[in-house]
Amino acid sequence: GAGVSQSPSNKVTEKGKDVELRCDPISGHTALYWYRQRLGQGLEFLIYFQGNSAPDKSGLPSDRFSAERTGESVSTLTIQRTQQEDSAVYLCASSLSSVSTYEQYFGPGTRLTVT
Amino acid sequence: GNSVTQMEGPVTLSEEAFLTINCTYTATGYPSLFWYVQYPGEGLQLLLKATKADDKGSNKGFEATYRKETTSFHLEKGSVQVSDSAVYFCALSDSNYQLIWGAGTKLIIKP
Repeated sequence: GAGVSQSPSNKVTEKGKDVELRCDPISGHTALYWYRQRLGQGLEFLIYFQGNSAPDKSGLPSDRFSAERTGESVSTLTIQRTQQEDSAVYLCASSLSSVSTYEQYFGPGTRLTVT
Repeated sequence: GNSVTQMEGPVTLSEEAFLTINCTYTATGYPSLFWYVQYPGEGLQLLLKATKADDKGSNKGFEATYRKETTSFHLEKGSVQVSDSAVYFCALSDSNYQLIWGAGTKLIIKP
């Protein structure tokens, strides 16, 4: 079946512009995660959605970052007034459940470059 | 807080060499442990996992044993191939849903 998809695959934007990143999780996966991966570093948790529960936004680095998810489907991550330090690969993952032993399936990522 | 430390790369080996990538962790409770792999140009994918002490995860010739006494989950493979060249990430998941990640180790296998 189809895996997690993300769009766009690459985005170059000017400092100060807003960007919107999209994630399509695997059908039936109730849990959805956004991560940021800076060059040469591990993954940094941003936000987590589980079904219709309130999302965990504790990893969002500033109020310029926000994310939405409609039910158990598509999610969008929005970064307002982008800064150069926002340049990174943004990864989305989905999972059947939030139980710790369940595998997270990752999308290919969106590479964001802020000039 | 919880954390994962893995050996810095890049690690460069010749084909058919023995591989060890070290991973140690700090966690409260009884975390699940994972190795993920990121092949060039591809997304992250689960390589193997272990959910309790003394469990051994294995896949594609790779193995890792959950050692609670040494808080380690080292990745090993007896004979590496050029196709194993990738970045390998160690991660843990505790009672919460978050994965805590190591910084990743780039592995380069030369023919």
